[in-house]
Order: sequence, then structure tokens, then C-alpha cells
Amino acid sequence: NAGVTQTPKFRVLKTGQSMTLLCAQDMNHEYMYWYRQDPGMGLRLIHYSVGEGTTAKGEVPDGYNVSRLKKQNFLLGLESAAPSQTSVYFCASSYSAPRLIRELFFGEGSRLTVL
Amino acid sequence: GDSVTQMEGPVTLSEEAFLTINCTYTATGYPSLFWYVQYPGEGLQLLLKATKADDKGSNKGFEATYRKETTSFHLEKGSVQVSDSAVYFCALSNAGGTSYGKLTFGQGTILTVHP
Repeated sequence: NAGVTQTPKFRVLKTGQSMTLLCAQDMNHEYMYWYRQDPGMGLRLIHYSVGEGTTAKGEVPDGYNVSRLKKQNFLLGLESAAPSQTSVYFCASSYSAPRLIRELFFGEGSRLTVL
Repeated sequence: GDSVTQMEGPVTLSEEAFLTINCTYTATGYPSLFWYVQYPGEGLQLLLKATKADDKGSNKGFEATYRKETTSFHLEKGSVQVSDSAVYFCALSNAGGTSYGKLTFGQGTILTVHP
């Protein structure tokens, strides 16, 4: 049981390049999330999805796009990378049962550097 | 909006010392509270949680009590080990309404335990 898997784990980009981070979960979770982690700022929510074909903006969505074409996958795209997007990106997923306290399951992270 | 504030780190302790990491929150309604731990090179893992006032979450010797009157959820451990060295995140979730289980994180506290 792999849980939440992120690819790639490391990437270096030049300003203006584009890339896509892939998150895959095998727990049949409805909800999926993309967070970024920056020193001294904890984790901040970029985008999230409450089901296949749906996405919504989080706290810091600018400069990112997402897609959830399949329930098990959640893609995070950077169309034109900027140095401010240098960060560690975490994908997470959770069950959707209403009014239950949902534990988030995290991937191992993807470290992105934009030069 | 919701927010979580953790004590400033990093925290450095000797093995078998007592640990306290302070966490206070601001939120509407009745949030659930969590502590997540991130070991070096890994994603975040749920350490413990509490869902209502006066609940005590506990796991691996760590404890935290949900104090609504002081809006706090301080993490404690009576005797830390070198293996407890990690980054600890306090987080909250407003599980109802349209929050979809999204977590609001504190900035994280780095704990280093020396032999």
C-alpha cells in the first residue's frame, strides 16, 4: 500500500519554464490537497479538490493550476515558474465523510528550485 | 479567518528532558485540533488530535489537551528521545460547513534532541 506518492521528488527550473507535479493516492480518498512549505511559514494551501473533476482555490493559488481528471490523481502545474515558487510542495488526501474529523495523509514532498 | 500560532523555535533539549511546545489558535465555531510531525526527509504524519474542549490527545508519549478557555493546544512529552528530533506542526480544522477538512497550520517548531 503506497499511500500518497509524489513525482518528481526534486526539480530545478529556470524562470519562465513550466512543469507539472503529479500526486497519486491509492486509498480511494475523495479529497486531495496541494500545500507549499516555506521556512517559518508552515504549510499553506494552494488548491484542493473534493472529487473527480472538481478543483477549488486555497490560500495561495496565484501562479498555479490544478486538475483532477481521475479520482486517484491530482496534478499541480506551474505555467511560468518564478523564483518565489521555490518551495517544498506536499500533496495530501483524506476521506470525505461529512462531520467526521478527517486525518490528512501526506506524500513525501517535492522540492522545487526556480533559478 | 482561522489562524494557528506556535512558539518560536528551534528547541534544543537533552535526552530525557521535558518538552513543551506551545500552540494557540483563533477560529470560529468549534474546530478540531491536531499535531503533525515531520521527520527529516519525510512528509507530515498525524501525531495526535482532539475534537472538542477538554479532550486529551495522546500518542507515542506525547500529549495535548484542547483548552477552549485559553484557545490552546500545547504539546508535551515527559522524557524526549533522540528519535523525537523532528519538526512539529500544530493545526486546526473546521470540519463543518464548506471547509472540506482543510487544515490551517502553524509555522512549525524544530525540535533537536541531543544524547
